[in-house]
Amino acid sequence: GQQLNQSPQSMFIQEGEDVSMNCTSSSIFNTWLWYKQDPGEGPVLLIALYKAGELTSNGRLTAQFGITRKDSFLNISASIPSDVGIYFCAGAEGETSGSRLTFGEGTQLTVNP
Amino acid sequence: GAVVSQHPSWVICKSGTSVKIECRSLDFQATTMFWYRQFPKQSLMLMATSNEGSKATYEQGVEKDKFLINHASLTLSTLTVTSAHPEDSSFYICSARDLGEVIEQYFGPGTRLTVT
Repeated sequence: GQQLNQSPQSMFIQEGEDVSMNCTSSSIFNTWLWYKQDPGEGPVLLIALYKAGELTSNGRLTAQFGITRKDSFLNISASIPSDVGIYFCAGAEGETSGSRLTFGEGTQLTVNP
Repeated sequence: GAVVSQHPSWVICKSGTSVKIECRSLDFQATTMFWYRQFPKQSLMLMATSNEGSKATYEQGVEKDKFLINHASLTLSTLTVTSAHPEDSSFYICSARDLGEVIEQYFGPGTRLTVT
């Protein structure tokens, strides 16, 4: 099946720093989603990308859908302590309502005050 | 909007018993719901796709007779872990797709199952 390689696996940064993480795949995805998961909670959708080359922002978060449709990155600017959590990328192969998501392995972000 | 709830949030049961987990979409209708399990420090693994009014589609390696899924209405899907064993202990998370959405899934808060 499809696999997503997400990196880095973990990051330790100081408050105020910018953060970048990315996902790559050997296959094409038609949609990329970025989620954040807090401990003991379900993932929360941050950004959805639908078109190759698309660049979308949500507050301090910016994500891009790679031109080749095989990669995506997420940037967080001016990090704050509440940004701590696990960030997952997810890709959807199809464009129908039955399309399942494939998840990356996650990036554990730690922000030191 | 797009709120998904799960009940219970955590459960402890004895080996050999069955446990039912509910997933509800609170402010939207969902023809499709998904069930995932997540082990500590790992990603989400899709177990099955649940469609309202029809049989669930299980992923390879997931026993359909052990993990019973029922999606009886547009706002409720249930997962029953039958004859639970300690290796079934995990974090179970459901997600739901709004009727008007094609791809996006909204996740519930998860259910922590511990089998003793």
